[in-house]
Amino acid sequence: KNQVEQSPQSLIILEGKNCTLQCNYTVSPFSNLRWYKQDTGRGPVSLTIMTFSENTKSNGRYTATLDADTKQSSLHITASQLSDSASYICVVSARNNDMRFGAGTRLTVKP
Amino acid sequence: DGGITQSPKYLFRKEGQNVTLSCEQNLNHDAMYWYRQDPGQGLRLIYYSQIVNDFQKGDIAEGYSVSREKKESFPLTVTSAQKNPTAFYLCASSIVAGAIYEQYFGPGTRLTVT
Repeated sequence: KNQVEQSPQSLIILEGKNCTLQCNYTVSPFSNLRWYKQDTGRGPVSLTIMTFSENTKSNGRYTATLDADTKQSSLHITASQLSDSASYICVVSARNNDMRFGAGTRLTVKP
Repeated sequence: DGGITQSPKYLFRKEGQNVTLSCEQNLNHDAMYWYRQDPGQGLRLIYYSQIVNDFQKGDIAEGYSVSREKKESFPLTVTSAQKNPTAFYLCASSIVAGAIYEQYFGPGTRLTVT
């Protein structure tokens, strides 16, 4: 069964610190992996998309990595800001267009 | 939230009543989607439409219905047959259907049924 597991479930960090969120998946055959940011009560917004051949992609202070062999991805946030407080969702798509959403990691950045 | 609007933001209904959630997009996208989001779970696909007058069931279509009479609009009706309708509902669109194409999400509608 195609699944996406994210860890940790929630995370609290101090402003200015770095953090890394994890995503493990069993989706196969793999097509692409996206990271979304979802503010409370709002719709998700895409941060990055990675295909099989890509192992790193950055978007400002956000850097996503992908290891297609171990079926793992991470999202690293550098120099966190209060506005980074949100849920971060990993979405993995198969080549048949089946998309599977992780439950998300709830990040809280405190001053 | 791009050019996708959902209304209302909050909706309250009594059990046994049907309710329709609105979704409109001005992005000229062919594909539109409805998802349901529950605490501690990933988004689950209810219905999607690749083109006007066509739609397909997603993973959890039971108790829901949709229509796609116009390219811009994809309303979702939550019927009384849906056993647990209280949830956050998200509408999305993409230029065409296909996982490689980014989906743009609306702001969501939180439905509470008592």
